[in-house]
Amino acid sequence: AQSVSQHNHHVILSEAASLELGCNYSYGGTVNLFWYVQYPGQHLQLLLKYFSGDPLVKGIKGFEAEFIKSKFSFNLRKPSVQWSDTAEYFCAVNADSGYSTLTFGKGTMLLVSP
Amino acid sequence: NAGVTQTPKFRILKIGQSMTLQCTQDMNHNYMYWYRQDPGMGLKLIYYSVGAGITDKGEVPNGYNVSRSTTEDFPLRLELAAPSQTSVYFCASTSQGRNYGYTFGSGTRLTVV
Repeated sequence: AQSVSQHNHHVILSEAASLELGCNYSYGGTVNLFWYVQYPGQHLQLLLKYFSGDPLVKGIKGFEAEFIKSKFSFNLRKPSVQWSDTAEYFCAVNADSGYSTLTFGKGTMLLVSP
Repeated sequence: NAGVTQTPKFRILKIGQSMTLQCTQDMNHNYMYWYRQDPGMGLKLIYYSVGAGITDKGEVPNGYNVSRSTTEDFPLRLELAAPSQTSVYFCASTSQGRNYGYTFGSGTRLTVV
């Protein structure tokens, strides 16, 4: 079974700072990778996903993530954060076979101060 | 297009009571899922379904039951509620399975006292 590790539980940044959230997964086969965002009091929304092709994927709201297979990593980045990016961010993975379901990391709470 | 609709949004249960969390999607998605979210723990899969009449256990199924009689509906049943079931419950669906992201409902916040 796959597993996901998000190293930072809480991150505090000032507006305009750059963001990088770490995500590592554990699985020996081919995977699909996702980043979700959950704004306060809301449900999860898909930011971006990778399942094949260019390992650098771009998502909504200026976010991007890079899949590095050799490091089993899928880090989320944004060059300049805004106050409205304050939210919890979840990395998720599923195996690219069968009826594989999404396994989520524990999440990283990002607080952006104005 | 409503997407995934969950009811109720909030509920307080007494220990030992039972209830059904409703989930309906109008996107004709075959795959549906129930997750629970606890602070600092991420989301844990309770049950999932790959089509009408087909359900399977996830990581934390104990104390819950599901059914899938139609493509649209995927209710989650709690029997004999316990304080450990205090959580936020999210229903999700997807059309093609593993390559596609899930669409989530707005959640049900359940407190068992």
